[in-house]
Amino acid sequence: NAGVTQTPKFQVLKTGQSMTLQCAQDMNHNSMYWYRQDPGMGLRLIYYSASEGTTDKGEVPNGYNVSRLNKREFSLRLESAAPSQTSVYFCASSEWVNTGELFFGEGSRLTVL
Amino acid sequence: GDSVTQMEGPVTLSEEAFLTINCTYTATGYPSLFWYVQYPGEGLQLLLKATKADDKGSNKGFEATYRKETTSFHLEKGSVQVSDSAVYFCALSGSGYSTLTFGKGTMLLVSP
Repeated sequence: NAGVTQTPKFQVLKTGQSMTLQCAQDMNHNSMYWYRQDPGMGLRLIYYSASEGTTDKGEVPNGYNVSRLNKREFSLRLESAAPSQTSVYFCASSEWVNTGELFFGEGSRLTVL
Repeated sequence: GDSVTQMEGPVTLSEEAFLTINCTYTATGYPSLFWYVQYPGEGLQLLLKATKADDKGSNKGFEATYRKETTSFHLEKGSVQVSDSAVYFCALSGSGYSTLTFGKGTMLLVSP
């Protein structure tokens, strides 16, 4: 069972470059999320999609854009990467926003030089 | 707004020791409470949950009781193993339609 799959797992960018993190889930979940994890900061929500066709800002949306491509896929785009965006990014999904049980991908480690 | 406060780590224990990781919360209404675990190099996974006051969630030898009077959901295990070394996150799901609120996480290191 694949669950939540993220690509790429590792990426190194130069300041100003753009990239897209891809996420797909095979559990027929309605809600999907993007988090970043930084030392001492815990998990911070960047954007989420409560259901297909909707997206909403989380705690730290600046510098990011998202697309809910279909029910399975939710991508995160960095238009002009900055060193402050060096982090580990996690995609997650759940049946609905308020069901509480999230299923996480393995993470994508991004370094911006 | 909703918030979760966890004890800072790392928590360092010897194998077979008793574990407590404290978690307190602030929320309106009647939230559901969760513990997630993150093993090295992996994403988070749900460890246990409790949806109403006095409920006890349990899994893999871990337990936590939803205490509304003290707004707490402390994680306990009677005898830890080296394989329990991980980061543990307390989280709550507030009333209504809201995303999970996570604590900052507590690292547990268990030595043989």
